[in-house]
This record gives sequence, structure tokens and C-alpha cells, in this order.
Amino acid sequence: KAGVTQTPRYLIKTRGQQVTLSCSPISGHRSVSWYQQTPGQGLQFLFEYFSETQRNKGNFPGRFSGRQFSNSRSEMNVSTLELGDSALYLCASSRTGPEQYFGPGTRLTVT
Amino acid sequence: KQEVTQIPAALSVPEGENLVLNCSFTDSAIYNLQWFRQDPGKGLTSLLLIQSSQREQTSGRLNASLDKSSGRSTLYIAASQPGDSATYLCAVVWNTGNQFYFGTGTSLTVIP
Repeated sequence: KAGVTQTPRYLIKTRGQQVTLSCSPISGHRSVSWYQQTPGQGLQFLFEYFSETQRNKGNFPGRFSGRQFSNSRSEMNVSTLELGDSALYLCASSRTGPEQYFGPGTRLTVT
Repeated sequence: KQEVTQIPAALSVPEGENLVLNCSFTDSAIYNLQWFRQDPGKGLTSLLLIQSSQREQTSGRLNASLDKSSGRSTLYIAASQPGDSATYLCAVVWNTGNQFYFGTGTSLTVIP
């Protein structure tokens, strides 16, 4: 069974640009959550989608948004990038239970 | 405020030693707690999940315990190996929400 996949794995963007990251959950998993990991703040929850609806949202500005498609694949978008958005972005999927399975992450560098 | 704390931030042990990693949380009304392992620059690998009603879970050389009343969980690693070197993170889901709150992790180095 394939695990959670994230694309791209690495990304370099310039301040002010926008970026879209993609996450494909494990087959049969309907919940996708996104996290930001930085050395200073650690792992922080961004949002969770279930059946194409945002079910939960962390404490991030509106520049961070996401969506989920009917096949459970999810994208997150960051607009007007700032230097502080440089981070490892992780997505996790789960079926319906509490255990989450994480992807390898997308390393975003903002210059 | 709901917080998860892991102390120490780093730990170095000789190969073969048994060790315990600690995780503390501020609110005992948890839904579940999960331990993860993260290798440098990689994603998270799930190790053990403990439901609120459980006291411990075991997988191979790993044993995780949960004491809600004291707000603590421990991850016990038996007969440590150099391949166990990684950052270990604990994450808590509280009854009031559906998101993980992560600790800052313990960086473990097992010296051959």
C-alpha cells in the first residue's frame, strides 16, 4: 500500500510570490491534515480537511489556505510569501480513526 | 493553555543501553497520544498510538505508557541501537479538538 506522497519535495520561492503544495493521502483515507515545521516553532497544525470540507483550522494568517478534492487529494496554498514561511510542510492522512500517517514533507525556502 | 513538553531536548547513550524518553502535557482530558520518530530532513514515522482508555502500548523494543492523572507519557526503548538515532516526538489530541499538539522533540544519539 503506497504511503502519503507530497509534491514537490523541494521548492525555492521569492518573497511576495505564492506557492501551491500537493498531498496525496493513503488510499481509502479521507482526512488530510497539514503541518508546518520550523526550528523555532516546532510542528504547528495548519488545517484539516475531511470529505472536501475544512474541519479544523490552526492559528495561521489567511495567507495560508487549502482545499481537498473528491479523490481526497489536498493542496495548500501560501500567498504573498514571507521569509518566515520557510519551513518543512508536512501532510498527514487518516482513515477515520485517530492514527495519522505522515508524508515525507515539502521543504520550502523563501529568499 | 494546552501544551506538550519533552525533556531533555537531546540525549546521547551508548549502544545497548535501555532508555526512557519523557513527554508531559498540561491537560489530562486527552483523546489520544502518539509517538513519532523523525529522521533528519524527513517526515514523521508513527511508532505507537495510545488511546485515552489505554495505559500502555508495545511494539518490538518500544513500549509507551500513559498516565493521564500526572500528565505524562514515557517511551521506553530497550537495547538501543545506532539505527535508533533520530528525533522522537510525542503528539497529543485533546478531547476539545481534533488536531495534534506536538512536543519539541528529543534528539537521540546512540553511540556505537
